[in-house]
Amino acid sequence: EPEVTQTPSHQVTQMGQEVILRCVPISNHLYFYWYRQILGQKVEFLVSFYNNEISEKSEIFDDQFSVERPDGSNFTLKIRSTKLEDSAMYFCASPNTSGESDTQYFGPGTRLTVL
Amino acid sequence: QKEVEQNSGPLSVPEGAIASLNCTYSDRGSQSFFWYRQYSGKSPELIMFIYSNGDKEDGRFTAQLNKASQYVSLLIRDSQPSDSATYLCAASNFGNEKLTFGTGTRLTIIP
Repeated sequence: EPEVTQTPSHQVTQMGQEVILRCVPISNHLYFYWYRQILGQKVEFLVSFYNNEISEKSEIFDDQFSVERPDGSNFTLKIRSTKLEDSAMYFCASPNTSGESDTQYFGPGTRLTVL
Repeated sequence: QKEVEQNSGPLSVPEGAIASLNCTYSDRGSQSFFWYRQYSGKSPELIMFIYSNGDKEDGRFTAQLNKASQYVSLLIRDSQPSDSATYLCAASNFGNEKLTFGTGTRLTIIP
Protein backbone atom coordinates (compact mmCIF):
# COMPACT_ATOMS: atom_id res chain seq x y z
CA GLU A 1 0.00 0.00 0.00
CA PRO A 2 1.28 3.49 -0.88
CA GLU A 3 2.55 5.46 2.11
CA VAL A 4 1.36 8.80 3.39
CA THR A 5 3.25 10.26 6.34
CA GLN A 6 2.11 12.72 8.99
CA THR A 7 3.81 14.66 11.78
CA PRO A 8 3.57 14.99 14.67
CA SER A 9 1.85 11.82 15.79
CA HIS A 10 0.50 13.60 18.86
CA GLN A 11 0.11 17.31 19.53
CA VAL A 12 -1.00 18.77 22.84
CA THR A 13 -1.86 22.45 22.93
CA GLN A 14 -3.61 25.03 25.03
CA MET A 15 -6.94 26.44 23.92
CA GLY A 16 -6.44 29.51 21.75
CA GLN A 17 -3.03 28.46 20.49
CA GLU A 18 -2.17 27.85 16.85
CA VAL A 19 -1.23 24.38 15.65
CA ILE A 20 0.24 23.21 12.38
CA LEU A 21 -0.20 19.63 11.29
CA ARG A 22 1.99 18.29 8.51
CA CYS A 23 1.59 15.65 5.86
CA VAL A 24 3.65 14.23 3.04
CA PRO A 25 1.27 12.65 0.52
CA ILE A 26 1.98 10.03 -2.09
CA SER A 27 4.32 11.72 -4.48
CA ASN A 28 3.35 13.35 -7.73
CA HIS A 29 -0.37 13.39 -7.15
CA LEU A 30 -2.35 16.60 -7.50
CA TYR A 31 -5.19 15.68 -5.13
CA PHE A 32 -4.98 15.81 -1.38
CA TYR A 33 -7.50 15.64 1.46
CA TRP A 34 -7.78 16.35 5.17
CA TYR A 35 -10.26 14.50 7.39
CA ARG A 36 -10.82 14.45 11.11
CA GLN A 37 -12.29 11.92 13.53
CA ILE A 38 -13.49 12.95 16.96
CA LEU A 39 -13.10 10.09 19.43
CA GLY A 40 -15.95 7.61 19.00
CA GLN A 41 -17.40 9.40 15.98
CA LYS A 42 -17.28 9.03 12.23
CA VAL A 43 -14.52 10.21 9.94
CA GLU A 44 -15.47 13.66 8.62
CA PHE A 45 -14.25 15.45 5.51
CA LEU A 46 -12.56 18.81 6.09
CA VAL A 47 -11.03 20.00 2.83
CA SER A 48 -9.76 18.83 -0.52
CA PHE A 49 -6.85 20.39 -2.34
CA TYR A 50 -6.17 20.16 -6.03
CA ASN A 51 -3.26 21.60 -7.92
CA ASN A 52 -2.37 24.06 -5.12
CA GLU A 53 -5.91 25.29 -4.55
CA ILE A 54 -8.79 24.34 -2.27
CA SER A 55 -11.32 22.46 -4.41
CA GLU A 56 -13.94 21.79 -1.73
CA LYS A 57 -14.36 22.42 1.98
CA SER A 58 -16.90 21.34 4.56
CA GLU A 59 -18.85 23.39 7.07
CA ILE A 60 -16.29 22.36 9.68
CA PHE A 61 -13.52 24.09 7.74
CA ASP A 62 -14.24 27.61 8.94
CA ASP A 63 -11.99 30.67 9.05
CA GLN A 64 -9.92 29.13 11.84
CA PHE A 65 -8.61 26.52 9.42
CA SER A 66 -6.23 26.92 6.53
CA VAL A 67 -4.35 24.52 4.30
CA GLU A 68 -1.13 25.23 2.46
CA ARG A 69 1.51 23.60 0.37
CA PRO A 70 4.66 25.34 1.60
CA ASP A 71 6.90 23.36 -0.72
CA GLY A 72 6.58 20.78 -3.47
CA SER A 73 5.99 17.78 -1.26
CA ASN A 74 4.54 18.86 2.09
CA PHE A 75 1.03 19.94 3.01
CA THR A 76 0.01 21.67 6.22
CA LEU A 77 -3.26 22.11 8.07
CA LYS A 78 -3.24 25.12 10.36
CA ILE A 79 -5.76 25.79 13.09
CA ARG A 80 -5.33 29.42 14.12
CA SER A 81 -7.00 29.49 17.52
CA THR A 82 -7.76 26.02 18.80
CA LYS A 83 -10.91 25.20 20.69
CA LEU A 84 -11.61 22.27 22.98
CA GLU A 85 -13.85 20.75 20.32
CA ASP A 86 -10.94 20.64 17.87
CA SER A 87 -9.56 17.69 19.83
CA ALA A 88 -9.60 14.82 17.35
CA MET A 89 -7.50 12.63 15.09
CA TYR A 90 -6.59 14.48 11.91
CA PHE A 91 -5.87 12.39 8.84
CA CYS A 92 -4.49 13.40 5.49
CA ALA A 93 -5.31 11.23 2.51
CA SER A 94 -3.93 10.93 -0.96
CA PRO A 95 -4.87 8.95 -4.04
CA ASN A 96 -2.20 6.65 -5.36
CA THR A 97 -0.38 7.06 -8.63
CA SER A 98 -1.38 3.81 -10.27
CA GLY A 99 -4.48 5.13 -11.93
CA GLU A 100 -6.98 4.25 -9.21
CA SER A 101 -7.67 7.91 -8.76
CA ASP A 102 -10.74 7.42 -6.55
CA THR A 103 -8.97 5.35 -3.93
CA GLN A 104 -7.72 7.42 -1.03
CA TYR A 105 -4.97 6.19 1.23
CA PHE A 106 -4.81 7.61 4.72
CA GLY A 107 -1.80 8.68 6.69
CA PRO A 108 -1.29 7.46 10.27
CA GLY A 109 -2.91 10.59 11.67
CA THR A 110 -2.10 13.28 14.20
CA ARG A 111 -3.87 13.11 17.53
CA LEU A 112 -4.62 16.70 18.57
CA THR A 113 -5.46 17.31 22.21
CA VAL A 114 -6.64 20.80 23.15
CA LEU A 115 -6.54 21.56 26.88
CA GLN B 1 -27.18 15.87 2.97
CA LYS B 2 -25.35 12.76 1.89
CA GLU B 3 -25.62 9.98 4.46
CA VAL B 4 -23.96 6.62 4.75
CA GLU B 5 -25.55 4.33 7.33
CA GLN B 6 -24.07 1.31 9.05
CA ASN B 7 -25.13 -0.84 11.95
CA SER B 8 -22.68 0.12 14.67
CA GLY B 9 -22.63 -3.38 16.13
CA PRO B 10 -20.83 -4.88 17.85
CA LEU B 11 -21.00 -7.88 15.53
CA SER B 12 -19.55 -11.08 16.95
CA VAL B 13 -18.60 -13.91 14.60
CA PRO B 14 -16.90 -17.24 15.42
CA GLU B 15 -13.46 -17.79 13.98
CA GLY B 16 -13.67 -19.45 10.57
CA ALA B 17 -17.20 -18.25 9.88
CA ILE B 18 -18.38 -15.62 7.39
CA ALA B 19 -18.75 -12.06 8.65
CA SER B 20 -21.31 -9.94 6.81
CA LEU B 21 -21.19 -6.15 7.07
CA ASN B 22 -23.82 -3.91 5.56
CA CYS B 23 -24.09 -0.30 4.49
CA THR B 24 -26.74 1.88 2.86
CA TYR B 25 -26.34 5.29 1.27
CA SER B 26 -28.78 8.08 0.56
CA ASP B 27 -27.20 9.91 -2.37
CA ARG B 28 -28.08 8.31 -5.69
CA GLY B 29 -25.23 10.29 -7.23
CA SER B 30 -22.70 8.19 -5.34
CA GLN B 31 -20.70 6.09 -7.75
CA SER B 32 -17.71 4.75 -5.84
CA PHE B 33 -17.81 2.74 -2.64
CA PHE B 34 -15.05 1.79 -0.27
CA TRP B 35 -14.51 -0.43 2.72
CA TYR B 36 -11.87 0.57 5.20
CA ARG B 37 -10.69 -1.31 8.27
CA GLN B 38 -9.76 0.71 11.34
CA TYR B 39 -8.02 -0.73 14.35
CA SER B 40 -8.43 1.16 17.60
CA GLY B 41 -6.29 4.30 17.61
CA LYS B 42 -5.13 3.76 14.03
CA SER B 43 -5.98 5.27 10.68
CA PRO B 44 -8.43 3.78 8.16
CA GLU B 45 -6.85 1.12 5.96
CA LEU B 46 -8.36 0.54 2.52
CA ILE B 47 -9.59 -3.02 2.00
CA MET B 48 -11.85 -2.95 -1.04
CA PHE B 49 -13.43 -0.57 -3.49
CA ILE B 50 -16.29 -1.22 -5.87
CA TYR B 51 -17.84 0.85 -8.64
CA SER B 52 -20.12 -1.56 -10.53
CA ASN B 53 -23.21 -3.49 -9.52
CA GLY B 54 -22.50 -7.04 -8.48
CA ASP B 55 -19.71 -8.75 -6.59
CA LYS B 56 -16.00 -8.07 -6.42
CA GLU B 57 -13.71 -10.58 -4.75
CA ASP B 58 -10.23 -10.09 -3.34
CA GLY B 59 -8.87 -12.98 -1.32
CA ARG B 60 -11.13 -13.57 1.68
CA PHE B 61 -13.06 -10.37 1.03
CA THR B 62 -16.06 -9.88 -1.24
CA ALA B 63 -17.71 -6.51 -1.78
CA GLN B 64 -21.25 -6.39 -3.12
CA LEU B 65 -23.01 -3.37 -4.62
CA ASN B 66 -26.67 -2.92 -5.49
CA LYS B 67 -27.22 0.62 -6.77
CA ALA B 68 -30.97 0.14 -7.20
CA SER B 69 -31.29 -0.64 -3.49
CA GLN B 70 -28.47 1.77 -2.53
CA TYR B 71 -26.82 -1.02 -0.62
CA VAL B 72 -23.20 -2.09 -0.20
CA SER B 73 -21.92 -5.05 1.74
CA LEU B 74 -18.65 -6.68 2.69
CA LEU B 75 -18.27 -10.39 3.30
CA ILE B 76 -15.23 -11.74 5.10
CA ARG B 77 -14.75 -15.47 4.65
CA ASP B 78 -12.80 -17.68 7.06
CA SER B 79 -12.81 -14.92 9.68
CA GLN B 80 -9.63 -14.61 11.73
CA PRO B 81 -9.09 -12.96 15.13
CA SER B 82 -6.94 -10.36 13.32
CA ASP B 83 -10.07 -9.28 11.42
CA SER B 84 -11.44 -7.86 14.68
CA ALA B 85 -11.69 -4.13 13.98
CA THR B 86 -14.14 -1.41 13.03
CA TYR B 87 -15.15 -1.52 9.37
CA LEU B 88 -15.96 1.78 7.73
CA CYS B 89 -18.11 2.13 4.64
CA ALA B 90 -17.51 5.22 2.50
CA ALA B 91 -19.00 6.65 -0.68
CA SER B 92 -18.01 9.29 -3.19
CA ASN B 93 -18.90 10.54 -6.61
CA PHE B 94 -16.43 10.00 -9.39
CA GLY B 95 -13.57 12.32 -10.01
CA ASN B 96 -11.54 12.48 -6.81
CA GLU B 97 -14.35 13.82 -4.68
CA LYS B 98 -14.48 13.63 -0.90
CA LEU B 99 -15.40 10.48 0.93
CA THR B 100 -18.55 10.36 3.06
CA PHE B 101 -18.16 7.81 5.83
CA GLY B 102 -20.56 5.79 7.88
CA THR B 103 -20.11 5.46 11.62
CA GLY B 104 -18.51 2.03 11.20
CA THR B 105 -19.39 -1.46 12.40
CA ARG B 106 -17.31 -2.98 15.17
CA LEU B 107 -16.52 -6.61 14.37
CA THR B 108 -15.23 -9.09 16.91
CA ILE B 109 -14.01 -12.53 15.82
CA ILE B 110 -14.37 -15.03 18.63
CA PRO B 111 -11.61 -17.69 18.75
